[in-house]
Amino acid sequence: AQTVTQSQPEMSVQEAETVTLSCTYDTSESDYYLFWYKQPPSRQMILVIRQEAYKQQNATENRFSVNFQKAAKSFSLKISDSQLGDAAMYFCAYRSGPFSGGKLTFGQGTILTVHP
Amino acid sequence: ETGVTQSPTHLIKTRGQQVTLRCSSQSGHNTVSWYQQALGQGPQFIFQYYREEENGRGNFPPRFSGLQFPNYSSELNVNALELDDSALYLCASSTPRGGGITDTQYFGPGTRLTVL
Repeated sequence: AQTVTQSQPEMSVQEAETVTLSCTYDTSESDYYLFWYKQPPSRQMILVIRQEAYKQQNATENRFSVNFQKAAKSFSLKISDSQLGDAAMYFCAYRSGPFSGGKLTFGQGTILTVHP
Repeated sequence: ETGVTQSPTHLIKTRGQQVTLRCSSQSGHNTVSWYQQALGQGPQFIFQYYREEENGRGNFPPRFSGLQFPNYSSELNVNALELDDSALYLCASSTPRGGGITDTQYFGPGTRLTVL
């Protein structure tokens, strides 16, 4: 079974600064997908970024980028120019490749605080 | 485009009762997944429905059951409620591409269930 580990229960950053959230995972599969989701106090889980394991290029979405290290099974999220609205719980999630059913396996989450 | 909606927002039940939670999938999506999120934890996969059939189940007892309707909306039913069933219940919708269930899951706002 796949597992996802987020070793940082809490992180904080100053507004406009950069922060990196860590995620490691364990799998024997070669084809899979990785995600970062954000969950603000409103509770709605919002997709931040997605990475396909077969792609060597790291995904980027505006101020959000990932460092995907397949051999090390590491998938960190970098938030640049942090904004107050980035404050939330962040979850790293794993999904097996096509035809697998689509179950997401989540990490324990990292609470991000942004200081003005 | 209509996003994923869930009802009710909050629910309070007593131990031993039964509850039904509802989810309307995002327009164009035919797959619904249900997750249970205990306070301060990552979501745990309950099950998934694809075109009205169960398509994968997590480690939850049979008293957790579901349905998907022809319009792809879905229900989660929990019988014989226990105190540990108190959680946020999230549903997510997606749609397959390329013959497999590969697409990203988009989440609803959740239903907060409290069991007394």
